[in-house]
Amino acid sequence: DAMVIQNPRYQVTQFGKPVTLSCSQTLNHNVMYWYQQKSSQAPKLLFHYYDKDFNNEADTPDNFQSRRPNTSFCFLDIRSPGLGDAAMYLCATSRNRDTYNEQFFGPGTRLTVL
Amino acid sequence: GEDVEQSLFLSVREGDSSVINCTYTDSSSTYLYWYKQEPGAGLQLLTYIFSNMDMKQDQRLTVLLNKKDKHLSLRIADTQTGDSAIYFCAEKGNDMRFGAGTRLTVKP
Repeated sequence: DAMVIQNPRYQVTQFGKPVTLSCSQTLNHNVMYWYQQKSSQAPKLLFHYYDKDFNNEADTPDNFQSRRPNTSFCFLDIRSPGLGDAAMYLCATSRNRDTYNEQFFGPGTRLTVL
Repeated sequence: GEDVEQSLFLSVREGDSSVINCTYTDSSSTYLYWYKQEPGAGLQLLTYIFSNMDMKQDQRLTVLLNKKDKHLSLRIADTQTGDSAIYFCAEKGNDMRFGAGTRLTVKP
């Protein structure tokens, strides 16, 4: 089945140690999103790619970077994770950025920072 | 910034109706959504409503939209234990904006 896949599902890293989270999609969608979701809070959009065009949210810390080497894959890089970066990270895709475009979510990667 | 607000918890008995409420503040929102998140899973789109509609029904789900008050609700009829999850309200203007989620607990 077409889907959004995130690996790993659980990631543990040490304070300050770079970590990369992975997302892939078989939907051939143009747009890929990364959200951060902390406990009992709304998912917060970090950035998105529209094809190869990177769009960063104004309040996303510089510590968070992203790469999209091809249509199928998108990576979230956290250069120096802090304790406050522990969260669930959700990847989503949509066909386009038009007003109605359903976003399809992956299962998320839960990041723990020790 | 503008927030999407919803109550954090709702508990109902199996077979009762559940009503989850949401308020939004962006009057330019053209679509409003309800997503469901089960433990350990991503968000799954349940239903959506276009801003020029005031009601949408889809099997056990009824969405009501009061655009004047910027109020959105999701009613689940005959709530089952399998409906226990977190329900997110979201609005789509230029960007997708989510509420913090309502945790629905269904007691047998």
